[in-house]
Amino acid sequence: AQSVTQLGSHVSVSEGALVLLRCNYSSSVPPYLFWYVQYPNQGLQLLLKYTTGATLVKGINGFEAEFKKSETSFHLTKPSAHMSDAAEYFCAGGEGNKLVFGAGTILRVKS
Amino acid sequence: EAGVAQSPRYKIIEKRQSVAFWCNPISGHATLYWYQQILGQGPKLLIQFQNNGVVDDSQLPKDRFSAERLKGVDSTLKIQPAKLEDSAVYLCASSLGDRDAETQYFGPGTRLLVL
Repeated sequence: AQSVTQLGSHVSVSEGALVLLRCNYSSSVPPYLFWYVQYPNQGLQLLLKYTTGATLVKGINGFEAEFKKSETSFHLTKPSAHMSDAAEYFCAGGEGNKLVFGAGTILRVKS
Repeated sequence: EAGVAQSPRYKIIEKRQSVAFWCNPISGHATLYWYQQILGQGPKLLIQFQNNGVVDDSQLPKDRFSAERLKGVDSTLKIQPAKLEDSAVYLCASSLGDRDAETQYFGPGTRLLVL
């Protein structure tokens, strides 16, 4: 069964700095992988997803993630953090059309 | 395009009481999901509907939780009787179909506090 681990429950970066949120998955089958963002008191919004093909996936708001099979990782990055990026980020793995979520990483952006 | 609607947004009840949540998915979406998100954890799937049929309810505590989607559109999730550990955000999501890696669209959630 699919499981997803997010390293670091809280990440703090300065405005303009690189954002790196870590996600590792375990699966015996080729995975589908997703990153969602959740702003306070809102539902989850899809940032990007990997299904097949190109391993570097570009999403909304300048985020991207790279699927690395050898490392079983799908880390989320953004070159320059904005204050508006402060939120909670969830990595999820899919088996068929079912999602298994990691525990989430809260991103804080300091001015 | 209107998103997934949920009500109420907040609910406070005492243990052993009952509560119901309502979800209206995006128009035309055949698949509907209910998730439970406990503080500090990621969402956990409770039940999945395809039109008005249940596809997966393996993680639904059926002794106290029930859900229905009678006409294949709106859905209700009920807890009776509630326990303290049911305090969580209940998220509804919908997707166009049930293909692999189909994008799920989430509502704002209902935040439940059981005292």
